[in-house]
Amino acid sequence: SQKIEQNSEALNIQEGKTATLTCNYTNYSPAYLQWYRQDPGRGPVFLLLIRENEKEKRKERLKVTFDTTLKQSLFHITASQPADSATYLCALEGDSNYQLIWGAGTKLIIKP
Amino acid sequence: DSGVTQTPKHLITATGQRVTLRCSPRSGDLSVYWYQQSLDQGLQFLIQYYNGEERAKGNILERFSAQQFPDLHSELNLSSLELGDSALYFCASSVGAGDGYGYTFGSGTRLTVV
Repeated sequence: SQKIEQNSEALNIQEGKTATLTCNYTNYSPAYLQWYRQDPGRGPVFLLLIRENEKEKRKERLKVTFDTTLKQSLFHITASQPADSATYLCALEGDSNYQLIWGAGTKLIIKP
Repeated sequence: DSGVTQTPKHLITATGQRVTLRCSPRSGDLSVYWYQQSLDQGLQFLIQYYNGEERAKGNILERFSAQQFPDLHSELNLSSLELGDSALYFCASSVGAGDGYGYTFGSGTRLTVV
């Protein structure tokens, strides 16, 4: 069955540095992959979508890559700020009913 | 404000009871999705409606049911509640169904079963 893996341990990054989060998947080749941000007790917020024919996508300080050979997506936040601290979720298109398959999320902590 | 409205924000009820959660999707969105998120757990997909019809089912218990009305708002009914049903319930909407566009989530309903 399809499986998504995100680092379960929190990622601690110094303010101003680049934070890189990883999303690995197995047993499927999704047509697209999405990244969301979730703050405690709040609903996820859509950040970026990248399709299988796109290698990289950028939005302000955010950059997402999608390597269909490695079955991996990397999510980068450059010039990180304490306000970027949150849990980041990746989700990919499942192979049935077009439902999103969600990762468990990685908690990012940006220290001033 | 994301444009997706969920009510109520908080709900405390006793075991065995029944509750109804309500969701109004973002204007123009035809799909509504319901998710459950328990403490420190990932998002669990429950059910999707598209333009009034059930589109896909996830790990939804038989005690739970949902519907989408002609005005596209949706309700999630939870009955014979158990302590383990305590969780955040999110509604999300999207323009289409399986079209690859991002979901817009509501702020959730926090259900506490005592």
